[in-house]
Amino acid sequence: NAGVMQNPRHLVRRRGQEARLRCSPMKGHSHVYWYRQLPEEGLKFMVYLQKENIIDESGMPKERFSAEFPKEGPSILRIQQVVRGDSAAYFCASSQGLYNEQFFGPGTRLTVL
Amino acid sequence: TQLLEQSPQFLSIQEGENLTVYCNSSSVFSSLQWYRQEPGEGPVLLVTVVTGGEVKKLKRLTFQFGDARKDSSLHITAAQPGDTGLYLCAGGNTNAGKSTFGDGTTLTVKP
Repeated sequence: NAGVMQNPRHLVRRRGQEARLRCSPMKGHSHVYWYRQLPEEGLKFMVYLQKENIIDESGMPKERFSAEFPKEGPSILRIQQVVRGDSAAYFCASSQGLYNEQFFGPGTRLTVL
Repeated sequence: TQLLEQSPQFLSIQEGENLTVYCNSSSVFSSLQWYRQEPGEGPVLLVTVVTGGEVKKLKRLTFQFGDARKDSSLHITAAQPGDTGLYLCAGGNTNAGKSTFGDGTTLTVKP
């Protein structure tokens, strides 16, 4: 049973470009979470999605950031017009259990030049 | 808003020493998870505790959930350099979806 997959593992963008981060949850999991992590810091919640629905986006910046989890295919975190402050590691997690144990992917490290 | 505070924030010890890290909240959680994250990798789930007072052991690691399900501790016996990493606790509530993560304890075990 494959774990949570994220791609790309590393992404370099210039200021003003778009970044698209992909996450495939574990088989059978329908809950996906996105987190952001800066060096030497903990995980900051961004958004929680179930298939085709955004359940909680309270941690998502109001502008430039969006997320989706379509009926078919991976979840996508999209950052438009990236700025240097968007440079961070972005982690995706999925869950299905009663106690919401989350299983994390390896992360995408975004660098904005 | 539920918050989880982890302490200490940083811990540096010698190989062979014992240590305890703490995860505290004023809120009650249905379950609590502990994760370990190594540099450049995603967090890896170590354990889930769900019952107040529960104690779980994983080799040299002992996890305890407080009686009131508001706090938890992780004790490591005879630490090894391979234990180095960021330890995160996360509290969840059934049917609430999102878990609350603490900011983590960065552990360094020197050989």
